[in-house]
Amino acid sequence: QKEVEQNSGPLSVPEGAIASLNCTYSDRGSQSFFWYRQYSGKSPELIMSIYSNGDKEDGRFTAQLNKASQYVSLLIRDSQPSDSATYLCAVNNGGFKTIFGAGTRLFVKA
Amino acid sequence: ETGVTQTPRHLVMGMTNKKSLKCEQHLGHNAMYWYKQSAKKPLELMFVYSLEERVENNSVPSRFSPECPNSSHLFLHLHTLQPEDSALYLCASSQDVPGQQETQYFGPGTRLLVL
Repeated sequence: QKEVEQNSGPLSVPEGAIASLNCTYSDRGSQSFFWYRQYSGKSPELIMSIYSNGDKEDGRFTAQLNKASQYVSLLIRDSQPSDSATYLCAVNNGGFKTIFGAGTRLFVKA
Repeated sequence: ETGVTQTPRHLVMGMTNKKSLKCEQHLGHNAMYWYKQSAKKPLELMFVYSLEERVENNSVPSRFSPECPNSSHLFLHLHTLQPEDSALYLCASSQDVPGQQETQYFGPGTRLLVL
């Protein structure tokens, strides 16, 4: 079983729709959860971090964490073509090693 | 300059060459990382330095040798690489507190091609 699993996609949504990206993780001791966005040929940049169960909203982005189900998601409202990228889920258990998923490719159609 | 910088941005080397990748962070962070990113694979952590001491080494082949002379600079020395080492090498930094890792900020990466 992979430590952090994401659907590789591509996930295709029309402009203005809600994009829902999902991630599951295997380490029950995980404490910190991150979503990064990576454009083609560029380095990852942080979108959201979440540390406790529930929802965390920042603009058009909402991260959702359910530690009991070992599940973290990212919702993007009013999706724009500029949101087209690969989204990386990352999980940390309090140590120095953060585990990244392989990423989900999102394509927003204009 | 701000953030995390890396040089060179692109590197082509033969299997017998020796080269070094450089990373510099201007964020005042206390931890620095080297990652390898290959096509369609997750980011692979290679090395972690906290307060200039190596704290994580993920069974990386000895042909990769890290160096952290101070909290702002990190090097990755390369020698006798293999074609399968061709990848994007990313440096990152973070301000870590005990028990919780904070956000990592990534540099632009070095695209390495080994011939």
